[in-house]
Amino acid sequence: AQKITQTQPGMFVQEKEAVTLDCTYDTSDQSYGLFWYKQPSSGEMIFLIYQGSYDEQNATEGRYSLNFQKARKSANLVISASQLGDSAMYFCAMREEGFTIYNQGGKLIFGQGTELSVKP
Amino acid sequence: GAGVSQSPSNKVTEKGKDVELRCDPISGHTALYWYRQSLGQGLEFLIYFQGNSAPDKSGLPSDRFSAERTGGSVSTLTIQRTQQEDSAVYLCASSSGLGSYEQYFGPGTRLTVT
Repeated sequence: AQKITQTQPGMFVQEKEAVTLDCTYDTSDQSYGLFWYKQPSSGEMIFLIYQGSYDEQNATEGRYSLNFQKARKSANLVISASQLGDSAMYFCAMREEGFTIYNQGGKLIFGQGTELSVKP
Repeated sequence: GAGVSQSPSNKVTEKGKDVELRCDPISGHTALYWYRQSLGQGLEFLIYFQGNSAPDKSGLPSDRFSAERTGGSVSTLTIQRTQQEDSAVYLCASSSGLGSYEQYFGPGTRLTVT
């Protein structure tokens, strides 16, 4: 069965510094996708970044990058130059991706989340 | 454009009553998902609709939970004989398919069972 583990319930970072949020996963699938979502106190879920299991390069989106280490089954999120607005819950998630043209979706399995607090 | 909408935003119900939660996905999105988030927890998958295919109901916690999607658009999640442990935020998401990997989430319905 698929499983996502986030071992850091809470993290603190100083404004303008970089921070790494840990995520490890377990799956027997060869094809899968890894996601990070941000959930501010308002409750909305905001998609941040995606990494496919066959992508050889680490995904990057602005200040977000995903440190993908397939052999270690880890998909850590790195936020560079932290801002006060980055304070939120961050969730790592995984999805099976044995895609056919008729199966472009799939449920997400989420970790328990890490609460990030950015200090001024 | 319009995002995923959910109604009601808050629902308080008495134990044993039935409730219906509604989700309007982004127009044209073929995939629709329901998740549940209990206080301080991650999201738990409930059910997934993809086009005209049979839904993936593998996450529904009991037979008190059911969902339908009419006309490939609006979805309703029904919880019968609600229990206090059903209290949570119920989130709906949709995606466009054809290689899309991003799920767009609605604001959620906060359900409180007293």
